[in-house]
Amino acid sequence: NAGVTQTPKFRVLKTGQSMTLLCAQDMNHEYMYWYRQDPGMGLRLIHYSVGEGTTAKGEVPDGYNVSRLKKQNFLLGLESAAPSQTSVYFCASSPPTGVSYNEQFFGPGTRLTVL
Amino acid sequence: GQSLEQPSEVTAVEGAIVQINCTYQTSGFYGLSWYQQHDGGAPTFLSYNGLDGLEETGRFSSFLSRSDSYGYLLLQELQMKDSASYFCASHSGYSTLTFGKGTMLLVSP
Repeated sequence: NAGVTQTPKFRVLKTGQSMTLLCAQDMNHEYMYWYRQDPGMGLRLIHYSVGEGTTAKGEVPDGYNVSRLKKQNFLLGLESAAPSQTSVYFCASSPPTGVSYNEQFFGPGTRLTVL
Repeated sequence: GQSLEQPSEVTAVEGAIVQINCTYQTSGFYGLSWYQQHDGGAPTFLSYNGLDGLEETGRFSSFLSRSDSYGYLLLQELQMKDSASYFCASHSGYSTLTFGKGTMLLVSP
């Protein structure tokens, strides 16, 4: 099992460009999440999904959109990148609440720089 | 809102015991987790407390007191490889997590 994978690992964008980050999991998890992590900060939840075809806003959703067309994939989109979106982005997945100690499994991260 | 407070940095020597505290103010709270992160890599799950009391997993233990909105992670027999950042995280609906800012643990020889 590959677990949670993220594509790409690194990316540099110019202000105003768009891009999509891909997260894939092979553990058949229902729930998936996107976080961002900035220096000196914990992880902050951007958007999450509790199942195929569903998405919901987290703590810092502005400037991002997501889609969960397939259970195993969760896409994070930046329509018009801004320097404030320079960050490390982590995807995570978990089984439903009450299963497996509510553990979330994280991908290796995508390091995004917006110039 | 949700907020968690934990120390920014803790130092200790190999073989020692260290405790990382976490206080929280969250609505809809139903549990506290701890995650470890090495050098900006993927965070990995350490422990979860859904009920008051102590949970032990090898060298690591975690404690929760709901009445005090307080928890801690206890690391025993510290090793150099334990140098990492440790995050407490509170659980609310749909297993969404709110993370603290993290505690950097530095273990010296």
